[in-house]
Amino acid sequence: DVVMTQTPPSLSVAIGQSVSISCKSSQSLVASDKNTYLNWLLQSPGRSPKRLIYQVSKLDSGVPDRFSGSGSEKDFTLKISRVEAEDLGVYYCLQGTHLYTFGAGTKLELK
Amino acid sequence: QVQLKESGPGLVQPSQTLSLTCTVSGFSLTSYNVHWVRQPPGKGLEWMGVIWSGGNTDYNSALKPRLSISRDTSKSQVFLTMNSLQTEDTGIYYCNRKLGAYWGQGVMVTVSS
Repeated sequence: DVVMTQTPPSLSVAIGQSVSISCKSSQSLVASDKNTYLNWLLQSPGRSPKRLIYQVSKLDSGVPDRFSGSGSEKDFTLKISRVEAEDLGVYYCLQGTHLYTFGAGTKLELK
Repeated sequence: QVQLKESGPGLVQPSQTLSLTCTVSGFSLTSYNVHWVRQPPGKGLEWMGVIWSGGNTDYNSALKPRLSISRDTSKSQVFLTMNSLQTEDTGIYYCNRKLGAYWGQGVMVTVSS
C-alpha cells in the first residue's frame, strides 16, 4: 500500500505569513493515463474536510489563488501565501493514483 | 444543490455490525463515485472505500475483510456495512462525492458496551 508522509505535523503562523507543507509518497503517483492524482484538503475546526487542490496544482472552484500546489512523482508541496484566519485548520494530502491514501495531516495554528 | 447526509446508530456494541446510510441529493449515483472516510477522535482521516458510478467497489486493504459498500440508486442511497466492530472503530464517518467539494456532515459512531 502507498504511504503518504506529510510534514511538519504542525505549523504556527502569523497572519500574512507564507507557509509550505510537504507530502512525500512511497511510490510514484504518476498514473497510467500520465496524470498525477495528488490532492490537498483542508479540515477547518469542527467542519467536514474540503478539497482545495487536485492533480497536484489545480485549484477547486472558489479556492483563493493564495493556495498553490507543486511537485511531481513522489514529492509534493502545498504553499499558502499571505495566510488568513480562515486558512487555519488541518491540511491533508491525499493520493488517488493507487486507490486512496491520506497523509497524517498538518495542523496550521495562529502564532 | 448537492447534498450528502449520513445516518445510523450512534452506539454499537463490540463485535457487532455497523450499518450506515448516506442519502444524497442533487446528483445521480450513476454519474458520480461516493466514498466513505472515517476519523477517530482527535486523529486524522482514513479512506475506507468507494462505490464507483458503475456500481463496482474498492476498499482499503486493511478494512476489506470486514467492509461492504452498496447502493440503491432508486433511493439515492449508499450503504456502509462493517462487521466485527472494535473500540478502535469509534469515530466520525463521512460520505462524500469524489473526495471533492461535497461531503456530508459526518456521523459519530461509538463502539462500546
